[in-house]
Amino acid sequence: RKEVEQDPGPFNVPEGATVAFNCTYSNSASQSFFWYRQDCRKEPKLLMSVYSSGNEDGRFTAQLNRASQYISLLIRDSKLSDSATYLCVVNRNNNDMRFGAGTRLTVKP
Amino acid sequence: DADVTQTPRNRITKTGKRIMLECSQTKGHDRMYWYRQDPGLGLRLIYYSFDVKDINKGEISDGYSVSRQAQAKFSLSLESAIPNQTALYFCATSDPETQYFGPGTRLLVL
Repeated sequence: RKEVEQDPGPFNVPEGATVAFNCTYSNSASQSFFWYRQDCRKEPKLLMSVYSSGNEDGRFTAQLNRASQYISLLIRDSKLSDSATYLCVVNRNNNDMRFGAGTRLTVKP
Repeated sequence: DADVTQTPRNRITKTGKRIMLECSQTKGHDRMYWYRQDPGLGLRLIYYSFDVKDINKGEISDGYSVSRQAQAKFSLSLESAIPNQTALYFCATSDPETQYFGPGTRLLVL
């Protein structure tokens, strides 16, 4: 079993839709959590950190549930430019990052 | 100019050849990493270094070695390349919160 699991998708949604991705992790000692975005054939880039209290950045909302060991990302009012692969990332300790395989999102006109 | 650069960007080599991938950064970070990315598996950590004198194995270090020549430079070597090392390789640096990735090196081992 992978340490960080994500539904690979693809998620195909129309512009303006709300879409949610979940991610589960198996190491209960994991310390910090992130969502990264990766465009096709490009490097991953940090989208947002995920805090225990939940956090929002514009149309993006991230939630963490430590008891159930899952992380979520909600995208509201999807734009064409949101099309990408979204990587769930878990920091076990001391910058030992574990990456999910990613969830692919395509937003269509 | 990019903060994290990788050379070469693409490489084709043959089984058994030695190959080195280079990474340089201008962010002034102490921490540097090498990952490989394979379809369906995500990024997996090969080696990481927290300063010039510190080298640590990651999840999948077998068949790889690294050298931290300076704070800004971290190179990855495949001593004897094999076909299942065909992958996309990323170098990264980090501050306490964020990892910053280079553009990647596509390696094909025939």
